[in-house]
Amino acid sequence: EVQLVQSGAEVKKPGESLKISCKGSGYSFTSYWIGWVRQMPGKGLEWMGIIYPGDSDTRYSPSFQGQVTISADKSISTAYLQWSSLKASDTAMYYCVRHIGRGWFDPWGQGTLVTVSS
Amino acid sequence: AIRMTQSPSSFSASTGDRVTITCRASQGISSYLAWYQQKPGKAPKLLIYAASTLQSGVPSRFSGSGSGTDFTLTISCLQSEDFATYYCQQYYSYPPYTFGQGTKLEIK
Repeated sequence: EVQLVQSGAEVKKPGESLKISCKGSGYSFTSYWIGWVRQMPGKGLEWMGIIYPGDSDTRYSPSFQGQVTISADKSISTAYLQWSSLKASDTAMYYCVRHIGRGWFDPWGQGTLVTVSS
Repeated sequence: AIRMTQSPSSFSASTGDRVTITCRASQGISSYLAWYQQKPGKAPKLLIYAASTLQSGVPSRFSGSGSGTDFTLTISCLQSEDFATYYCQQYYSYPPYTFGQGTKLEIK
């Protein structure tokens, strides 16, 4: 079974750094792009960016370029999303997704809730 | 970025109803469109890709159609488990891939 399993919920203060993870299993991790999608409380879905674990080629949405960093460690089949200085507006659920074909998403990770509050 | 607009944003229906959700792209996207279902507190789930191809394991009461700028998701006979929020997503042009704002389907 193809699965993406994400790290657990985080509670952070503004200005702190954070790195969340997404571990793939049941398929060749280096052969598919992995992306990240944000869902703010009560809102819709926003695509943030993708990485190809095979060569670490990374693309970002213009809305998130410079705000986050996407990385991957193919040796442990894990992708990451990190912030160097969190803001309250980063409070959201973050999903990792496997990109299929030209770019639909399946499966989705279970989500990581990030709460940023002083 | 390509803008995706769904209609309606929310509506109520009854079990057994046939319902249609519309998704419109701000420019032509051929058939590069996917549909997802999200239930409260859960991750979205892929229903349809390439505008009309049903993902494996998805019930046949779900169907998709359209190409270019106008697309529809139809549920032929609503079941209780279908009450959820539905999103369309274009993958014709990126970055960024873009989603519709969502359509919340509620029980009447």
